[in-house]
This record gives sequence, C-alpha cells and structure tokens, in this order.
Amino acid sequence: AQKITQTQPGMFVQEKEAVTLDCTYDTSDQSYGLFWYKQPSSGEMIFLIYQGSYDEQNATEGRYSLNFQKARKSANLVISASQLGDSAMYFCAMREPSGYSTLTFGKGTMLLVSP
Amino acid sequence: EAGVAQSPRYKIIEKRQSVAFWCNPISGHATLYWYQQILGQGPKLLIQFQNNGVVDDSQLPKDRFSAERLKGVDSTLKIQPAKLEDSAVYLCASSRVVGNEQFFGPGTRLTVL
Repeated sequence: AQKITQTQPGMFVQEKEAVTLDCTYDTSDQSYGLFWYKQPSSGEMIFLIYQGSYDEQNATEGRYSLNFQKARKSANLVISASQLGDSAMYFCAMREPSGYSTLTFGKGTMLLVSP
Repeated sequence: EAGVAQSPRYKIIEKRQSVAFWCNPISGHATLYWYQQILGQGPKLLIQFQNNGVVDDSQLPKDRFSAERLKGVDSTLKIQPAKLEDSAVYLCASSRVVGNEQFFGPGTRLTVL
C-alpha cells in the first residue's frame, strides 16, 4: 500500500485564487512528520511547510497553510492568492520515526497558474 | 549560506557505461541523502549517510550502484554499468541532523541510451 497518496495529477488555478492540493497518508505510528515540497522546472526541491503529528495548530508559512486532519490522515496544502511563479510540481512527504527517519514522497501534483 | 551543490547537471551515456555524480552538502550538515527521481514519480531514497557512515542503503541496487562520503563532507554516487532504467534525476540533499528539514540540490539529469 502506498504511504503517501496524491490523487490529483494536475491542477489548474487562476492567478490570485486559492488552491488546495490533496495528500493522504498511511502510517501506524503516532509520531510522524508531514512535509510539502515544491519542484519547479529547474528541478530543485524547495521546502514549503512542515506539520508534526502532535502539533495542535495547522502549520502556516506565508501564503502556504497545511490543512491537517489527523483522523482522516490527510494533510492538504492550501496556497492562497496564487501567483504565476507557483506553477510547479508539488510533493507531499512523510517522515516516520522508525528506521532512519527517511522521507517517503508521493507522486506529486502539477499545478499550473494562469493569468 | 551556500546551498547543496551537484555536478554535472546533465549527463548522457550509453548503456553499460559508467557514470559518477558529485554532491557537496551545506556546510555543517551531518546527514547526506541521495535520491533517484524517475519521470512522473516522487524521489526515492537510495542511500543516507550520517557523517561518513552509511545508515540506510536498503533501496540501493548494490550490484551496480555505489556511494561514498569523503571525510564526512562531499559525496560521490556511481553507477557501473548503467542500464536504460537508470535514466532519472539524481537528487542530493542534506540536513543538519537526521530527521530535520532536508535541503536539496539542483539534481543531475541522467539519460541512458
């Protein structure tokens, strides 16, 4: 079974609108971390936001917020006021405490922002 | 602070040839990771170093892939011999300690013909 599922291969949004990118995860651990990364066409993975499983508040970083619903095992990324530069691949990843705290990535969602 | 450096950025080789990639992590970062990202997929961890020791290489195809981290700083990933299915982007990342936020380099795009 996949540990990280991103069901949206592609998303389209108009500039200045908000968009939600979906991510569900599967783990039996109580302590874990969830990450979102952005990968523009240049190829570099850029860290956006982090949510710990015990964090009571949803994480926010500027225009990025994470809608964390623990019972549903979902960690959706919300981008407010989309900009043209937000066009990129977005990856959800999970870090589990077992093993060596490695990251497991989903398959990604391609976001295209139109003027 | 300088980011993670990787070279080369692009490499094209024929199958059965050898290739090596280089990574220089962020200064002071003890943990270094090599990922393989096949087109249309998320990155998959190949190997993780803590200083100059390997802590996880469970997904590294050891019959053809090898990696080392010299003096706990720079790292080299080698493929010998390459197969068509090795065509991918190879990403290097580093973190201050295990479990912390990982910072990624620009990657090396390998094409095996």
